[in-house]
Amino acid sequence: GEDVEQSLFLSVREGDSSVINCTYTDSSSTYLYWYKQEPGAGLQLLTYIFSNMDMKQDQRLTVLLNKKDKHLSLRIADTQTGDSAIYFCAETPNRDDKIIFGKGTRLHILP
Amino acid sequence: DAMVIQNPRYQVTQFGKPVTLSCSQTLNHNVMYWYQQKSSQAPKLLFHYYDKDFNNEADTPDNFQSRRPNTSFCFLDIRSPGLGDAAMYLCATSRGGRTGELFFGEGSRLTVL
Repeated sequence: GEDVEQSLFLSVREGDSSVINCTYTDSSSTYLYWYKQEPGAGLQLLTYIFSNMDMKQDQRLTVLLNKKDKHLSLRIADTQTGDSAIYFCAETPNRDDKIIFGKGTRLHILP
Repeated sequence: DAMVIQNPRYQVTQFGKPVTLSCSQTLNHNVMYWYQQKSSQAPKLLFHYYDKDFNNEADTPDNFQSRRPNTSFCFLDIRSPGLGDAAMYLCATSRGGRTGELFFGEGSRLTVL
């Protein structure tokens, strides 16, 4: 089956690290993604990881993948007010062109 | 410059009055998608086109139809909107294949009175 789960809210103080977690069910997923949605805007790809990787780092972003536990996380170092958004975890099941999204985690930055 | 453009950004309709939402792209991508997004819910795929090949999700109501007259344009028709159809409708494109970066438009917010 297809299901992507993530918590709905996260509050973090400015300057701290944010860690957003996600679990997925389709073990055949080839790619896993993090999309960001700012208020009033569409979703934008933030980063992705191929299923044969454990970790991917891109500037302030670190993606960790535990394929055994079907767990994906996104760490944002030195969280800034501009990081305030909804973050969607997504997977591509190993067939056709569908991308399945989680419900999104709303990241709130505390001063 | 916007690459996936949706019109209108805001649409208000009456219960049962048909609505058409449009999406255009300048990326020349093969695949176009329509997602429905309600507050605090995952974007839900309604259907997608791979070129002219139409792929309907099994649980997409018959009330929703789509047209893709050419590569650049795709339309979402809601034949008889109900209160439960009030949502943000997101159009997205991709080159196809499982590396799948989606490029989203800014969405069309539908209100049903």
